[in-house]
Amino acid sequence: ELKVEQNPLFLSMQEGKNYTIYCNYSTTSDRLYWYRQDPGKSLESLFVLLSNGAVKQEGRLMASLDTKARLSTLHITAAVHDLSATYFCAGGGGADGLTFGKGTHLIIQP
Amino acid sequence: DTEVTQTPKHLVMGMTNKKSLKCEQHMGHRAMYWYKQKAKKPPELMFVYSYEKLSINESVPSRFSPECPNSSLLNLHLHALQPEDSALYLCASSLQDSYYEQYFGPGTRLTVT
Repeated sequence: ELKVEQNPLFLSMQEGKNYTIYCNYSTTSDRLYWYRQDPGKSLESLFVLLSNGAVKQEGRLMASLDTKARLSTLHITAAVHDLSATYFCAGGGGADGLTFGKGTHLIIQP
Repeated sequence: DTEVTQTPKHLVMGMTNKKSLKCEQHMGHRAMYWYKQKAKKPPELMFVYSYEKLSINESVPSRFSPECPNSSLLNLHLHALQPEDSALYLCASSLQDSYYEQYFGPGTRLTVT
């Protein structure tokens, strides 16, 4: 059974700072997903990481995957308030559905 | 069209009511999913349909009954729910059931009184 662990679960940071969210998973997973969720809203797909060493960037967010270490990271560069949200990583997928981490509640303060 | 739609957006029902949630996608996706999300928790998988056949039922109580009438439509029939079933119900779809990206609908906020 796949288990996904995120840390930290809560992160308060100032605008302009950099930070990284970590996602560890328990068994082999060829793919790792990152989603964003705003309060009261649904999930927005951010990144799909398909293979070892994959790195994807969109604006101030960059995600990477190390399948040997069973670790994915979501790096935030020069944070801005609009990035405040809850970020989920998820593994598995397909016929087994997604298994989500507990989420990282990110607050970015001016 | 890269959208998954869900209706209704909000639903309040009593414990003796029968209601249904509807999910629709027109992206040609052949796998569809129901997830349940409680406040401040991650989504939890309930059901998976692959090519209109139920492939996973995650030990969900029988008061939740899924239905997939065709490849574009997914329903969740609700009967005799409990207050603890109040949650955000999310529908998702993916191209196939082989590790393709899942697209989520806006969700139905369900309150059971």
